[in-house]
Amino acid sequence: NAGVTQTPKFQVLKTGQSMTLQCAQDMNHEYMSWYRQDPGMGLRLIHYSVGAGITDQGEVPNGYNVSRSTTEDFPLRLLSAAPSQTSVYFCASSYSIKNRVYGYTFGSGTRLTVV
Amino acid sequence: GESVGLHLPTLSVQEGDNSIINCAYSNSASDYFIWYKQESGKGPQFIIDIRSNMDKRQGQRVTVLLNKTVKHLSLQIAATQPGDSAVYFCAEPQSSMNRDDKIIFGKGTRLHILP
Repeated sequence: NAGVTQTPKFQVLKTGQSMTLQCAQDMNHEYMSWYRQDPGMGLRLIHYSVGAGITDQGEVPNGYNVSRSTTEDFPLRLLSAAPSQTSVYFCASSYSIKNRVYGYTFGSGTRLTVV
Repeated sequence: GESVGLHLPTLSVQEGDNSIINCAYSNSASDYFIWYKQESGKGPQFIIDIRSNMDKRQGQRVTVLLNKTVKHLSLQIAATQPGDSAVYFCAEPQSSMNRDDKIIFGKGTRLHILP
């Protein structure tokens, strides 16, 4: 049982490049989310999903796309990287009971630098 | 809009003393809160949660208190140890259409342990 796995752990991109941050969980959790963490800003929600085939925008969705074709995977795509997207990205998943979410299990993060 | 915030960005505590980390929330309908611990270079880890039908919940060396009257919760750590050095976040799920869909985090409090 690996929990939430994020890849890569580190990435450097040039401005304008695209890439996909991978996130996979093996706990059969319905809920999955992507957060970014900048110094002094806490965790800000980018996109989230309450189940396969369902995604929605969080607080800071611009510049990012997501899809949820399976329960296990929730990739985050940067279409055209910008220096403002330099951050640490965390993926998280959670189970729910009767439509109420319980806690979150986080991945170890992807540190992205855009130059 | 609704938000979860923390009173202090940094808290310094003598090793062996008790630590109290505070959190305020604005939505009187909020009924579930979660505390996370994030050590340097790692993803947030679930510590303890509490539902609004409780005023207090205890874990191992940690206690969460919920005061619904003033919309305030606190995390108390007993006999603080060097391993408690971390950033602590409170968080709450937000709901739409009678279903939790996302978890929003406060900015965090950094706990420093003094020798």
